[in-house]
Amino acid sequence: EAGVTQFPSHSVIEKGQTVTLRCDPISGHDNLYWYRRVMGKEIKFLLHFVKESKQDESGMPNNRFLAERTGGTYSTLKVQPAELEDSGVYFCASSQDPGGVYGYTFGSGTRLTVV
Amino acid sequence: LAKTTQPISMDSYEGQEVNITCSHNNIATNDYITWYQQFPSQGPRFIIQGYKTKVTNEVASLFIPADRKSSTLSLPRVSLSDTAVYYCLVGVFSGGYNKLIFGAGTRLAVHP
Repeated sequence: EAGVTQFPSHSVIEKGQTVTLRCDPISGHDNLYWYRRVMGKEIKFLLHFVKESKQDESGMPNNRFLAERTGGTYSTLKVQPAELEDSGVYFCASSQDPGGVYGYTFGSGTRLTVV
Repeated sequence: LAKTTQPISMDSYEGQEVNITCSHNNIATNDYITWYQQFPSQGPRFIIQGYKTKVTNEVASLFIPADRKSSTLSLPRVSLSDTAVYYCLVGVFSGGYNKLIFGAGTRLAVHP
């Protein structure tokens, strides 16, 4: 089966611009998660979708970040306007069950660089 | 949230068995222990998960003592391709929902 796909793999944008990251989960996985690792830090949870609904968005850093999952399929994470401290790797993951009993499948990530 | 402590780095040689121990003194009754592996430029990859005693799959074994305050990931006969960062996570179940809390991980280097 196809894994979790993230696009783009790399993005370099200027401070103040807008960037949209996309994640295609494994087909049939209702649960979709966004995580990120900023430079020198640990991987941090951002939010969790169950189908198209946001189950937990407690990790979203501020209102410059907007995540959507229209129709409960792919998800987008928009950063507007981007700031220097937003640079890092953004990971998407999906799972069959919310508890991750069978583990989460992560994508390869999108490396975002804000200059 | 249960915090985990694991060695920052480890070195091994091809063909050896590698054991990475993780401490989680404050583990809660409902917590599971999960290990992930991460290669450079890739996302973390699920290796194994357990609650108590021993769990084994085709990749690794996970040993959990009765008090569950620690766990040991065992990789049999490592190869160069096992060089990666290994994360020990303790899952918090909230309404059946498990939010992964990553630590710094253990950077394993396998040498020829």
